[in-house]
Amino acid sequence: GENVEQHPSTLSVQEGDSAVIKCTYSDSASNYFPWYKQELGKGPQLIIDIRSNVGEKKDQRIAVTLNKTAKHFSLHITETQPEDSAVYFCAASPGTYKYIFGTGTRLKVLA
Amino acid sequence: GAVVSQHPSWVICKSGTSVKIECRSLDFQATTMFWYRQFPKQSLMLMATSNEGSKATYEQGVEKDKFLINHASLTLSTLTVTSAHPEDSSFYICSQDRAYEQYFGPGTRLTVT
Repeated sequence: GENVEQHPSTLSVQEGDSAVIKCTYSDSASNYFPWYKQELGKGPQLIIDIRSNVGEKKDQRIAVTLNKTAKHFSLHITETQPEDSAVYFCAASPGTYKYIFGTGTRLKVLA
Repeated sequence: GAVVSQHPSWVICKSGTSVKIECRSLDFQATTMFWYRQFPKQSLMLMATSNEGSKATYEQGVEKDKFLINHASLTLSTLTVTSAHPEDSSFYICSQDRAYEQYFGPGTRLTVT
């Protein structure tokens, strides 16, 4: 069935370093790829997204890249700060209401 | 952006009782809302799609008689967990879709004792 693999499951980085989280999707019909940040006890918040007609998108310290051929997309966080510590989820959607979520990455930024 | 609220944020109930969770769209009229379930340290799993004025669409394996969904207005969807059991303890999150971008509520933590 359709699935989204996400790696790594946990990631620890020193404050100021970069963090990269990678996802691979299986449904070739997917054309929308959002990333969510979830803090403890809260709902996920959309932080950045990318559509299949774009290869890269950047918003301040956060960037997302998409390789449609390989069915890979990645989240890049530069100059990490302690408040970036959270669980991050990727998702893939074929442009309908249906979303397939990755398994999540627990990011810890060490001060 | 869209704002989605949930009430209550947490609830403890006894086994065998029912509990209702409300999901409100504060600035957008949502004909469709979604209910997710999230176990500790796990991903979100879609339970059902709530359709305003019609029956909800449940995902495979989700008991529609146990998880009752009502979407009576464009700003309110409710999830009622009936005859709750300890294994129903989880984090329940609703979301609304706006131009195919999903905005999530803050979640409701249900603990069944």
